[in-house]
Amino acid sequence: EVQLVQSGAEVKEPGESLKISCKDSGYSFTTSWIGWVRQMPGKGLELIGIIYLGDSDTRYSPSFQGQVTISADKSISTAYLQWSSLKASDTAMYYCARPILVGGLIIRIDDWGQGTLVTVSS
Amino acid sequence: QSALTQPPSASGSPGQSVTISCTGTSSDVGGYNLVSWYQQHPGKAPKLIIYEVNNRPSGVPDRFSGSKSGNTASLTVSGLQAEDEADYYCSSCAGSNSLGVFGGGTKLTVL
Repeated sequence: EVQLVQSGAEVKEPGESLKISCKDSGYSFTTSWIGWVRQMPGKGLELIGIIYLGDSDTRYSPSFQGQVTISADKSISTAYLQWSSLKASDTAMYYCARPILVGGLIIRIDDWGQGTLVTVSS
Repeated sequence: QSALTQPPSASGSPGQSVTISCTGTSSDVGGYNLVSWYQQHPGKAPKLIIYEVNNRPSGVPDRFSGSKSGNTASLTVSGLQAEDEADYYCSSCAGSNSLGVFGGGTKLTVL
């Protein structure tokens, strides 16, 4: 069974750093893409970026370029989403997901993690 | 990249059909047959229910169907059931320089 398991909820103060994780199981981790999706409270879905686990090729949506860092460690089948200095506006649910790409285009997102709630508040 | 436009809400009685629209441009919805739909129940992760405009993943009931005309895609839920009450999001490919775009979501209420 394909499963993406995310790290637990986080409560942080503005200015702190954070790295959340997404572990893949039951799949060929090194030949797949993993993406991160933000959902702010009461709002819709926004794709942050994707990473190819075989060679760490990473692509970001323009709105998130420079705001976060996506990385991966294929030895432990885990992808990461990282902030160096959190803001209150980063408060959201973050989902990892498995996009399917054909010809470089995302054609669908097949699987989703359970979500990691990040709360940034002083 | 602008979000795709969906109505904020839709509703129907059990057994009825309801259609949710998703309007984009010729650069996304109209340019590719790569529209997906996701269902999200409260407190849960989204779930893929339609891909490539009108294909259903294994396990998704055939009450869910998709279509597209020009720059507008549609999701139709036939024979509404209580468990269909959820938020629905469309998504489309938007070219090689984009990761794609989501709609703002539609809250479907089963009356």
